[in-house]
Amino acid sequence: GENVEQHPSTLSVQEGDSAVIKCTYSDSASNYFPWYKQELGKRPQLIIDIRSNVGEKKDQRIAVTLNKTAKHFSLHITETQPEDSAVYFCAASQRGGGNKLTFGTGTQLKVEL
Amino acid sequence: NAGVTQTPKFQVLKTGQSMTLQCAQDMNHEYMSWYRQDPGMGLRLIHYSVGAGITDQGEVPNGYNVSRSTTEDFPLRLLSAAPSQTSVYFCASKGGREVWDTQYFGPGTRLTVL
Repeated sequence: GENVEQHPSTLSVQEGDSAVIKCTYSDSASNYFPWYKQELGKRPQLIIDIRSNVGEKKDQRIAVTLNKTAKHFSLHITETQPEDSAVYFCAASQRGGGNKLTFGTGTQLKVEL
Repeated sequence: NAGVTQTPKFQVLKTGQSMTLQCAQDMNHEYMSWYRQDPGMGLRLIHYSVGAGITDQGEVPNGYNVSRSTTEDFPLRLLSAAPSQTSVYFCASKGGREVWDTQYFGPGTRLTVL
């Protein structure tokens, strides 16, 4: 089955700096890669996603890049703000087999003032 | 439109007890799933359903049962609770069968097994 590795497990940045979280996946058949943000005590919420036919996608301050050859994808947050502090999860999925999502282990992002 | 709801929010069980975690959605979503979240391990899929009457196992199904008699409800049953099942449980649903259809999570149930 699919295996998703996520790094780093914790990330501390100064407000206004950029943050980058990286994930690798094992199954070359995976073709959908969402990112979820989870605030303390809350449910995970989708913040951005990318399909395998796209190399990069941007939504205001967040962007995701995908390298299919290397089987890795990354989340980029620019101009970080305190409200960006949360746990971020990457995931991978493929068509068929119930479209199951396999999640990474999460990155605790702390944006310091 | 309440989205995905879960009950209870918190539960404490003793080893060997059984219980059912409830999950309901009012968005007429076909796909529903259950995840458990443990520190440092992300979310792991327990069971999922692609429609009423159809269920299948995920990554960590042992110790859990599910059924899907209606589109709206997808309960998760713990037959004989064990301390290893202490976790936060999230139910999720999505509207379509495409892999890129957005998955919506419920608020979670925090379960402690003593």
